Amino acid sequence: SQQGEEDPQALSIQEGENATMNCSYKTSINNLQWYRQNSGRGLVHLILIRSNEREKHSGRLRVTLDTSKKSSSLLITASRAADTASYFCATVPYGNNRLAFGKGNQVVVIP
Amino acid sequence: ETGVTQSPTHLIKTRGQQVTLRCSSQSGHNTVSWYQQALGQGPQFIFQYYREEENGRGNFPPRFSGLQFPNYSSELNVNALELDDSALYLCASRTGGMGYGYTFGSGTRLTVV
Repeated sequence: SQQGEEDPQALSIQEGENATMNCSYKTSINNLQWYRQNSGRGLVHLILIRSNEREKHSGRLRVTLDTSKKSSSLLITASRAADTASYFCATVPYGNNRLAFGKGNQVVVIP
Repeated sequence: ETGVTQSPTHLIKTRGQQVTLRCSSQSGHNTVSWYQQALGQGPQFIFQYYREEENGRGNFPPRFSGLQFPNYSSELNVNALELDDSALYLCASRTGGMGYGYTFGSGTRLTVV
């Protein structure tokens, strides 16, 4: 069953603006990962944050994790048209070895 | 960009038929997972293999089965296809433990008519 729940579901922004997506989950986790998917094809791993980490950066990406609220956020700074995609959060539940995906967040960056 | 190759890219089958989807992972990626993604939804975990043994299974019936081979390739077999099996099937692999991200293939789009 889906564990992650992203909010908002769809986001439309101008190029250069920042995009923020949120994800909530229900159970204890080992780590949380964010993936990008273009046009219904394969997913690309963006960033992984462990349960004992609170914030992580990778290029223009910033991920936060609040295990007390069971939530995470993904911030894309200075967005580009090429960032147009669906973004999924996925948890690795504690004691489990699978990815549990949310429903995804569609982001459209207008040039 | 991806080191995981899936074949075929697209496939149309008739209800009741059987299908085999294939995945070739990067060398050293001894963990492979398969996911089903319906249109507009997130991927759903089907099962996972580690060193040719199944070590996790999602909420899918036994007509979904798989194999992993020593050369880092794997298969997903689906028997008695149903219309609801129409989806994008994704293969994902990784090296190391659960603290690592997965590399996904581009998927196989299966349509059951």
